[in-house]
Amino acid sequence: EIVLTQSPGTLSLSPGERATLSCRASQSVSSNYLAWYQQKPGQAPRLLIYGASSRATGIPDRFSGSGSGTDFSLTISRLEPEDFAVYYCQQYGSSRWTFGQGTKVEIK
Amino acid sequence: QVQLVESGGGLVKPGGSLRLSCAASGFTFSDYYMIWIRQAPGKGLEWVSYISASGNTIYYADSVKGRFTISRDNAKNSLYLQMNSLRAEDTAVYYCARRHSSSLCFDYWGQGTLVTVSS
Repeated sequence: EIVLTQSPGTLSLSPGERATLSCRASQSVSSNYLAWYQQKPGQAPRLLIYGASSRATGIPDRFSGSGSGTDFSLTISRLEPEDFAVYYCQQYGSSRWTFGQGTKVEIK
Repeated sequence: QVQLVESGGGLVKPGGSLRLSCAASGFTFSDYYMIWIRQAPGKGLEWVSYISASGNTIYYADSVKGRFTISRDNAKNSLYLQMNSLRAEDTAVYYCARRHSSSLCFDYWGQGTLVTVSS
């Protein structure tokens, strides 16, 4: 099973700052099958990025994804107040899905 | 608009059973693969079970294989999860979600239903 490790565990930033979140896989992941989600307290996850770099419907362009192989990242170019949340990466391989443990982006 | 509404959660004793439902609307349910994903309190996300649009292809996570059964009724636009032999570690919010048309990720999620397994 492919293990996804996200770093850092918590990112403390101010509105307007740039956030870079990392997702590292224990073995190579197809870029087609790497996604990012945002989750706020008490809410379901929301798809942000699929195929490593494609924004989902309605997602603002301040969110961008990149990477390949075992190293992927999610960048939020300028944090808005509504962006403070937990972010998860997710991959598919061999008839199973795995999620990273999450990165919390909190207000500094 | 796309809506997924889960129901059927609740408090159950270890060893007991529960059946979750997910009512879909706003899209052609029979065209989409669906999944159940759970989240234990304060923890991350874990996929549970996945079913193809026709119901012919089904996958289970090792943690639930042999205890949980996923099914769907395309005529009723509904997805189900029959959970038997429940354990304390099955306590979680259970989400149903729709597979994205272009990738193996999930573009619409329900609000979740809480399953608590405790004596």
